[in-house]
Amino acid sequence: AQKITQTQPGMFVQEKEAVTLDCTYDTSDPSYGLFWYKQPSSGEMIFLIYQGSYDQQNATEGRYSLNFQKARKSANLVISASQLGDSAMYFCAMKRSGGYQKVTFGTGTKLQVIP
Amino acid sequence: EPEVTQTPSHQVTQMGQEVILRCVPISNHLYFYWYRQILGQKVEFLVSFYNNEISEKSEIFDDQFSVERPDGSNFTLKIRSTKLEDSAMYFCASSEPADRGDSQPQHFGDGTRLSIL
Repeated sequence: AQKITQTQPGMFVQEKEAVTLDCTYDTSDPSYGLFWYKQPSSGEMIFLIYQGSYDQQNATEGRYSLNFQKARKSANLVISASQLGDSAMYFCAMKRSGGYQKVTFGTGTKLQVIP
Repeated sequence: EPEVTQTPSHQVTQMGQEVILRCVPISNHLYFYWYRQILGQKVEFLVSFYNNEISEKSEIFDDQFSVERPDGSNFTLKIRSTKLEDSAMYFCASSEPADRGDSQPQHFGDGTRLSIL
């Protein structure tokens, strides 16, 4: 079974500052993918970034980077230069490798960016 | 950029009525999913669908639920006799074929908010 733990129910960050959202996971699968999704107050689920378990380098997508530490089973999301539009719920998620595997989500972290 | 589209955005239904939620996945995707999110809670997997059959389903996906791909583009979730506890946001998702990478991300639609009265 897979498990995702997000221990920060809420976070505040000053506009233009960087923020790290924590995520730890547990799995016995040898190959898996880790994801972060953003859910604004309007409700949609927006894919942000993906890290494969065998990827040597940390994933980056614009202002988003994933700090992947496989031995610690952590996959923290770093948002650089926070913007007001970054205020949202952020979900860490994972799935086994393979086409139709389900995604397991964490409980989420609510990020609020302060002007 | 191609996206998953879901209709309706909000559905209000009387308890005991049947409801059909509709989704148009991204056109070259082969794997389709339904998830639900009860208000204030985390997203939960319901079912995955590939090659016109269910690949996996969760314990939430009981006999009241069914999925169908009636044509080449739509993917539907039917709840036969709705209960109050079915009130939730329902997300459809799709992903590319597995041979494009070891774990392709699932792209989600904007969701259908289902309210059971």
